Amino acid sequence: DSGVTQTPKHLITATGQRVTLRCSPRSGDLSVYWYQQSLDQGLQFLIQYYNGEERAKGNILERFSAQQFPDLHSELNLSSLELGDSALYFCASSVAPGETEAFFGQGTRLTVV
Amino acid sequence: ELKVEQNPLFLSMQEGKNYTIYCNYSTTSDRLYWYRQDPGKSLESLFVLLSNGAVKQEGRLMASLDTKARLSTLHITAAVHDLSATYFCAVGDIGGSQGNLIFGKGTKLSVKP
Repeated sequence: DSGVTQTPKHLITATGQRVTLRCSPRSGDLSVYWYQQSLDQGLQFLIQYYNGEERAKGNILERFSAQQFPDLHSELNLSSLELGDSALYFCASSVAPGETEAFFGQGTRLTVV
Repeated sequence: ELKVEQNPLFLSMQEGKNYTIYCNYSTTSDRLYWYRQDPGKSLESLFVLLSNGAVKQEGRLMASLDTKARLSTLHITAAVHDLSATYFCAVGDIGGSQGNLIFGKGTKLSVKP
């Protein structure tokens, strides 16, 4: 167990809908990262937060947004869902950006039907 | 833009044999990671390599880093079935984004009796 908690584990929803994925980082970790893993794109970095502030953006679609709250948990919001958004979404956390290893949660498997 | 290439992408080995997975990256980085992923599961950290010439070993796996060649290798010694998984290398992106990882496509390893 990495100490990073993601909920829900599985999510099935219809096209056009909006979902929210939640991540609680390891105790003491201030930095949160979101990654998307799909068969065709592999593991892609989406977005990073550090102590509540957005730190870096990767290949995140405009339909997707995220935030990190004062208690350091993070939420990834996916809207106007398309079939191609079906993927495994991972959250990772680290003490600080780029200084230490990041630990990954168990992931949320999103299926868009 | 940082790119990470792994090869081979698929590897079928017999138990007891040795093999090496290669990871090349395109621009300077300050750290390299190897992860293991079992089907549908999270990413398990295997090694973190931080300096040129770094070598780390755990059981039948040994990882090394040559920063001048921008190359890391994961060597498997006397493979056993339990090593069957997908192995990812990931490189820290220091190009202004501080901390997020760029992943290779992964090497799917199958160890057969």
